[in-house]
Amino acid sequence: KQEVTQIPAALSVPEGENLVLNCSFTDSAIYNLQWFRQDPGKGLTSLLLIQSSQREQTSGRLNASLDKSSGRSTLYIAASQPGDSATYLCAVYQGAQKLVFGQGTRLTINP
Amino acid sequence: DAGVIQSPRHEVTEMGQEVTLRCKPISGHNSLFWYRQTMMRGLELLIYFNNNVPIDDSGMPEDRFSAKMPNASFSTLKIQPSEPRDSAVYFCASSLGGVGLTKTQYFGPGTRLLVL
Repeated sequence: KQEVTQIPAALSVPEGENLVLNCSFTDSAIYNLQWFRQDPGKGLTSLLLIQSSQREQTSGRLNASLDKSSGRSTLYIAASQPGDSATYLCAVYQGAQKLVFGQGTRLTINP
Repeated sequence: DAGVIQSPRHEVTEMGQEVTLRCKPISGHNSLFWYRQTMMRGLELLIYFNNNVPIDDSGMPEDRFSAKMPNASFSTLKIQPSEPRDSAVYFCASSLGGVGLTKTQYFGPGTRLLVL
C-alpha cells in the first residue's frame, strides 16, 4: 500500500527566507506527483504537477523536484511571503487519476 | 467559470439520519472525485467517476456510503445511516483527465459534516 510522508509537519520561518518542504513515498511505481496548497477552511489549489518522466517543474517562486528511484520530492519556495502561509500537501498518482495524499506541512511565514 | 460547487457547505445532523452531499463539477470536465478529510486520516479518495461511470470505489468505507452521478453536471454522496465517526470535511473535485490521462484536479470548497 502506498504511503506518503511529509516532513516537517509544521514549519515557521521569517519572511524572505527560502525554504524546502519534503515528501517521500514508499512505492516508486507512481504515475505522477502533484503539490497542492490548502488554506484554512478552503479547498485545495493545485501548485505543480510533475509527470513521472520529468524531474522538476517550476512556477514563479515555486520549484518542485521528483526523484522516483529514491521515492522523494521536494517543494522549494523562494523569497517567502506572509501570503505563502498555508498547508502544503504532496500527493502521488497511483494510476492516472487516483491520488494518495500526505498529511501535509503547515507553513507559517512571519512578517 | 464558477469552479466546482458543493452544497451544503455545512451540515449538522443526528446519528442515524440520512445525509446527502451534492456536487456540480466544472462544465466540460469528464472526471469527478469524492474525498474525505479528517485530522486522523488526512485526505482520502472515496470514489471517482469517468464520463458518469464509477471507476474505483475501493475507498468507500462501508455500505452506508453510496455515490451517484446521474449526468455530467451533478453528483451525490449519500450516507445512510450516518454515524459520529463520519464527521469530516467532504470534498468534490473534477478534471479533464481520463483512463491513462492525468490532468489537474480542481477542488470544491468542501462540505463540513458533523454527526452528533
